Amino acid sequence: EMQLVESGGGLVKPGGSLRLSCIASGFTFSSYSMYWVRQAPGQGLEWIASMNGRYSDIYYADSVRGRFTISRDNAKKSLYLQMNSLRADDTAVYYCVRDLTEGGGGFDPWGQGTLVTVSS
Amino acid sequence: DIQMTQSPSSVSASVGDRVTITCRASQGISSSLVWYQQKPGKAPKLLIDAASSLQSGVPSRFSGDGSGTDFTLTISSLQPEDSATYYCQQAHSFPLTFGGGTKVEIK
Repeated sequence: EMQLVESGGGLVKPGGSLRLSCIASGFTFSSYSMYWVRQAPGQGLEWIASMNGRYSDIYYADSVRGRFTISRDNAKKSLYLQMNSLRADDTAVYYCVRDLTEGGGGFDPWGQGTLVTVSS
Repeated sequence: DIQMTQSPSSVSASVGDRVTITCRASQGISSSLVWYQQKPGKAPKLLIDAASSLQSGVPSRFSGDGSGTDFTLTISSLQPEDSATYYCQQAHSFPLTFGGGTKVEIK
């Protein structure tokens, strides 16, 4: 069974940093692009970062570019999101997601999400 | 950036009703359109990819259609368990973008 499990969320003060982790199982991790998607409380979904399996193609949403860094370790089947200079509007549930297929096509599966709260 | 506009933002319908949700892209995205269902407190679930390809295990009352800029998600006979928020997403180009969501409620 394919599974993604996030960790690392919590309460952080504005301007602070946090590192999210996601451990994958049940599929060949290195073959898939991986993503972070977030959802602010009561709001819609927002894609924020992507990295392909070869570490070569990285993309960020404008809202996080320069503050967040996506990385992965294929040997550990792990995806990471380093979040710096956090702001109140970064408060959200952060989901680790995989491409539906090796060629793309949507997000599946999804992790259970980890809540990040930015507040003083 | 490609903007995705969903309508309506909410709909209330009775069990057995046909419900149609529309998603419009600000520019052509071919068939690179995905639909998700999200229930409260849960992660989204992928229902349909490539505009009309139903995922395994998704009830056949769900269907997707469209290409280019205009897409629809149809629930042919609404069931109580279909109460959820539905999102479209374009998988055509970065930045990947979602529609604002459509909340489907049962009368």
